[in-house]
Amino acid sequence: DSGVTQTPKHLITATGQRVTLRCSPRSGDLSVYWYQQSLDQGLQFLIQYYNGEERAKGNILERFSAQQFPDLHSELNLSSLELGDSALYFCASSPDGGANYGYTFGSGTRLTVV
Amino acid sequence: GDSVTQMEGPVTLSEEAFLTINCTYTATGYPSLFWYVQYPGEGLQLLLKATKADDKGSNKGFEATYRKETTSFHLEKGSVQVSDSAVYFCALSDRYTGNQFYFGTGTSLTVIP
Repeated sequence: DSGVTQTPKHLITATGQRVTLRCSPRSGDLSVYWYQQSLDQGLQFLIQYYNGEERAKGNILERFSAQQFPDLHSELNLSSLELGDSALYFCASSPDGGANYGYTFGSGTRLTVV
Repeated sequence: GDSVTQMEGPVTLSEEAFLTINCTYTATGYPSLFWYVQYPGEGLQLLLKATKADDKGSNKGFEATYRKETTSFHLEKGSVQVSDSAVYFCALSDRYTGNQFYFGTGTSLTVIP
């Protein structure tokens, strides 16, 4: 157990729908990062939150949004889902706003859009 | 921009063989370098890291040396085991300004008995 908890582990939904993925960071970590892992594009950085505020943005679509709550857990919202959104979505956390210590990854949410 | 290039896989080795997975990087600042491992059905786990030139990261028999002159961070292990079968990712992050990791495409390793 890495200490980063992601729920749900699996999600199957239809095109056009909206889903919410949840992440609880490791105890004491202030930063949460979201990544998308697909076969054709590898690991793509989506967004980072640090202590409740957006810190950095990557290749995140406008249909996607995220937030980090006061208790530091984070949610990634995916809307108007398309078949191409099917992927593994990973959350990672780190103690600070940077990456000096490396990330701790959760085990991911596998999203299948049908 | 910053990037990482990893050797293409998949790689298949016999147990006790020597492993090298090549990784080179491009960075404008002061990168820290990492190797992550992903076992089937799991998230990525930090395997080792090096934060400055000539540092050697090591863990579980794996090691990698940060070579600034060749911009490389090759992963090596002297004798692989079946349990080392996984996907290995090289990654970098800027030590001072980095908010994200730049990952390589991953190299799948299968070790056969």
